[in-house]
Amino acid sequence: AQSVTQLGSHVSVSEGALVLLRCNYSSSVPPYLFWYVQYPNQGLQLLLKYTTGATLVKGINGFEAEFKKSETSFHLTKPSAHMSDAAEYFCAYSGAGSYQLTFGKGTKLSVIP
Amino acid sequence: SAVISQKPSRDICQRGTSLTIQCQVDSQVTMMFWYRQQPGQSLTLIATANQGSEATYESGFVIDKFPISRPNLTFSTLTVSNMSPEDSSIYLCSVGTDGSGNTIYFGEGSWLTVV
Repeated sequence: AQSVTQLGSHVSVSEGALVLLRCNYSSSVPPYLFWYVQYPNQGLQLLLKYTTGATLVKGINGFEAEFKKSETSFHLTKPSAHMSDAAEYFCAYSGAGSYQLTFGKGTKLSVIP
Repeated sequence: SAVISQKPSRDICQRGTSLTIQCQVDSQVTMMFWYRQQPGQSLTLIATANQGSEATYESGFVIDKFPISRPNLTFSTLTVSNMSPEDSSIYLCSVGTDGSGNTIYFGEGSWLTVV
């Protein structure tokens, strides 16, 4: 069965520093991979997704992620953290062509002024 | 893109009662799903809402507790029956729009507190 592992339930970075949120998956079929963000008391917003093609995907708000099949990873990065990036981030997986998502446990990002 | 509206957005419910959550999409969609997010937890898939037939439930979720309807391609309801405090969660509707599995949107969620 597929699974998604997010390393670190809580990550703190200084404003302006690099943001790196880690996500690894296990799957027996080609994956579709997603990052969602959840701001306090709000629903989920899609940041970016990988389905096929280019392995480096760019999303909203300056975030990007790189799909590395050999490492079964899909880490999320942003060169310079902003206070408004403070939120919870979820990595999710679906099998190619499926809409059913398996979520990681989430990583709460704090940005320190 | 798809615009998804969920009602209610928030509610406080009495133990033992039932509540129906509505999910309305502004366009016809291929697939609709219901997820639960318990406090401080990640999202778990409850079921796939099938148009014109019974929903497909994931392990640990049953129709008697979470009856689902999907009368057409733009609307679905999830009922949380005989609620207990453990049902206090965010319930989210999710839709797939393009038939290829790579465009998935979520509603804003329905935040239920059971007292």
